[in-house]
Amino acid sequence: NAGVMQNPRHLVRRRGQEARLRCSPMKGHSHVYWYRQLPEEGLKFMVYLQKENIIDESGMPKERFSAEFPKEGPSILRIQQVVRGDSAAYFCASSPRVRGANTEAFFGQGTRLTVV
Amino acid sequence: GENVGLHLPTLSVQEGDNSIINCAYSNSASDYFIWYKQESGKGPQFIIDIRSNMDKRQGQRVTVLLNKTVKHLSLQIAATQPGDSAVYFCAEILAGNQFYFGTGTSLTVIP
Repeated sequence: NAGVMQNPRHLVRRRGQEARLRCSPMKGHSHVYWYRQLPEEGLKFMVYLQKENIIDESGMPKERFSAEFPKEGPSILRIQQVVRGDSAAYFCASSPRVRGANTEAFFGQGTRLTVV
Repeated sequence: GENVGLHLPTLSVQEGDNSIINCAYSNSASDYFIWYKQESGKGPQFIIDIRSNMDKRQGQRVTVLLNKTVKHLSLQIAATQPGDSAVYFCAEILAGNQFYFGTGTSLTVIP
């Protein structure tokens, strides 16, 4: 059972371009979370999705950022017209559909976005 | 549950000493808590968890304590080793499977 897969691991974009970050959850997991982490800082919640639904996007900037988790395929975090301040590590985590006694979230290795 | 733009607190301990990392959580409705370890350049990894109906849980060299009265969680690492150097995050989980992380603490083990 492969873990949470994020790609690319590193992404360089020029200001104004679009960044697309992909996250394939663990097999059997239908809950996906996206977090952003700046150097020397903690994890900042962005969005929580289930298949085809956005459950909580309270941490997402109102403009330029969007996320989806389609019925088939990976979850995508999309950043339009990137700016230097978007440079960060973006982590995805997944957890199982059924909330059991010990439902932990498993993290991917992250995508490090650098805007030049 | 979120901390925006806060720099990580740091903790330095001598190899072999015990480490105590603290975390305050925000939502009294949280019923499940997890400690994660994040090594440099990697994603967070599960260390230990505890449910709200418990006040203590032990693992291998690690113990988590939960004080619901003051909404406080701690992670104790016995006989700290250089490989324990990392950033440690606590997460509180609400009934809807929503995870919220604390700021994190950067642990440095001095050989």
